[in-house]
Order: sequence, then C-alpha cells, then structure tokens
Amino acid sequence: DIQMTQSPSSLSASVGDRVTITCRASQSISGYLHWYQQKPGKAPKLLIYTASNLQSGVPSRFSGSGSGTDFTLTISSLQPEDFATYYCQQSYNMPRTFGQGTKVEIK
Amino acid sequence: QVQLVQSGAEVKKPGASVKVSCKASGYIFTNNGINWVRQAPGQGLEWMGRISGYNGNTNYAQKFQARLTMTTDTSTSTAHMELRSLRSDDTAVYYCARDHDSSDLDYWGQGILVTVSS
Repeated sequence: DIQMTQSPSSLSASVGDRVTITCRASQSISGYLHWYQQKPGKAPKLLIYTASNLQSGVPSRFSGSGSGTDFTLTISSLQPEDFATYYCQQSYNMPRTFGQGTKVEIK
Repeated sequence: QVQLVQSGAEVKKPGASVKVSCKASGYIFTNNGINWVRQAPGQGLEWMGRISGYNGNTNYAQKFQARLTMTTDTSTSTAHMELRSLRSDDTAVYYCARDHDSSDLDYWGQGILVTVSS
C-alpha cells in the first residue's frame, strides 16, 4: 500500500498568514493527489484534485502543487473559515489511502 | 444538484452486522463509482473500498476484505455497504463519496454514525 505522510500534524496560525501543508507519498503517484478540508462534525470537502486543480466553488486562496512523491497545499491568506483539518489522498492505485491529517488552529 | 443521502444512525452489538445505504441523485448513477470511507472518533479518514456504479465491480481494502460487502441497486441509484462481525473499534462515522474523473471524491454523504457496544 502507498503510505501518505502529511506534515505538520498540526499548526497554529493567524488570520492573514500564508500556510503550507506538505504531503509525501511512499512511492511515485504521478499527479493523482487530492486535498480535502474537514470541519468538526461535517463531511470532508474536496478542495484540490490532481495536485493542482481547484474544485469548483473553492476560493482561489487555496492552491496545490507537486508531482511524483512530494505535494503542497497552500492557503495564501488564512481566513477564519479555513480553520479545519486538511487531508491528502492518493488515487494512483488501490487501496486509496489518506494522509493522517493536518489540523490548522487559531494562534 | 448532486446529492448523496445516507441512512440513519445504527447501534449494534459486537458480532452483529450492519448494512447502511447511500442514495444518489442529481447525476447518472452508472457513470460514477461510490467509495466508502470511515472515521473513528477523533481519528483520521480511512478508505474502505469502492464499487463501480456501472457494473458493480468492487475493490476493498485488505483489512476489510473478509467481512465487507458493497452492492448497488441501479433501479434506485442506491449503494449499500455491509460490515459483518462488528467489533467495538468499528465504531465510527461511515461516509459514502462519489468518484470523480481522477478518482478524487467530489461529493460526500452526510455520514452515518455506527456505534458498536454491548
């Protein structure tokens, strides 16, 4: 199975900060990497698909980059509604696997 | 608009089975697969498996292979997930989610809390 490792596991940031979360795959997954946002008590929401494509309706302050094994999610200017947990997921092969999550908290 | 509506919460005893449903609307059911993802309390997301909406072909995570069955009913655009021999560590919220073009999960159900307790 492909292991997905996110870093950091949690971070504290202020409104307006630039935030970067990384996701590393245990083998190359080409660009088959997706990012989700989850708020407490809610289902995950797709933010970025295939590494860098913004899902419809998602604010442009979210962006993704990377290919192969190393990927990044960036929030250019953190907003109050962005405090949540973020997960990466690979769909290069079965089984699909998720990273362990990165919790973004208010500083 | 695309919607996935899941059945209600369940409480089961250890050793029992649970079968939950996910009713799709707003798209052609046979065009997309349905994935099942679970989340134990305070934990991360765990992918369980996927079923094709077109032909019912399934892929299961190895850890669930022996006690998991996914099915679809194309006449009602509904996917079902049955987990058998339940244990306390199966207590979790179970989500269904639609496969998009690159197998990203673009629409999710609201989640079903399954509690396993004696």
